[in-house]
Amino acid sequence: QSALTQPASVSGSPGQSITISCTGTSSDVGGYNYVSWYQQHPGKAPKLMIYEVSNRPSGVSNRFSGSKSGNTASLTISGLQAEDEADYYCSSYTSSSTLEVFGGGTKLTVL
Amino acid sequence: EVQLVESGGGLVQPGGSLRLSCAASGFTVSSNYMSWVRQAPGKGLEWVSVIYSGGSTYYADSVKGRFTISRDNSKNTLYLQMNSLRAEDTAVYYCARASSLHFDYWGQGTLVTVSS
Repeated sequence: QSALTQPASVSGSPGQSITISCTGTSSDVGGYNYVSWYQQHPGKAPKLMIYEVSNRPSGVSNRFSGSKSGNTASLTISGLQAEDEADYYCSSYTSSSTLEVFGGGTKLTVL
Repeated sequence: EVQLVESGGGLVQPGGSLRLSCAASGFTVSSNYMSWVRQAPGKGLEWVSVIYSGGSTYYADSVKGRFTISRDNSKNTLYLQMNSLRAEDTAVYYCARASSLHFDYWGQGTLVTVSS
């Protein structure tokens, strides 16, 4: 069982917006602004999409945005495109001995 | 351009050992936090270990006492020594640069299979 909880799957039609949640505890998501999000296409390495809750690395589309409320972080993708279909993982720094924890991943399907 | 290239994966018997390497270019390994993250077949990502720029090391509970992370500054290379391997260690192992507690660059991964 992953330390952070994500929905197993979400779907949306092209042009729509979707939100993926990532729920942790006050020892990780709720306690620090070190939540990041990764996109992974099949057979590829993960790619950083959001860091420190809401910051986008250079080159990442502004259709991707992040936020946090309490122990739950969220990734929102607006104007869905076919190439957004992928697995998405959240991660957070944690005060436990593990230091970094990931969510179980969410498969995004673009209908 | 930042690049990370892993090598050293392969098939190993339970109880065996393997050393993974991650050759970096475009930045200095010793000046950054560097991590290993693994992904079992069909499963999610799991953080394995980190080495801080100052040399401190940390491990996931699942590998503590069996895996050792290290680096060779002269070769700008990160390593993961894996001992007492178990079937549940079977995974693709990625090295990643950990910039301010997020992983901004990843290698392509190397597959480790633990099986008799």
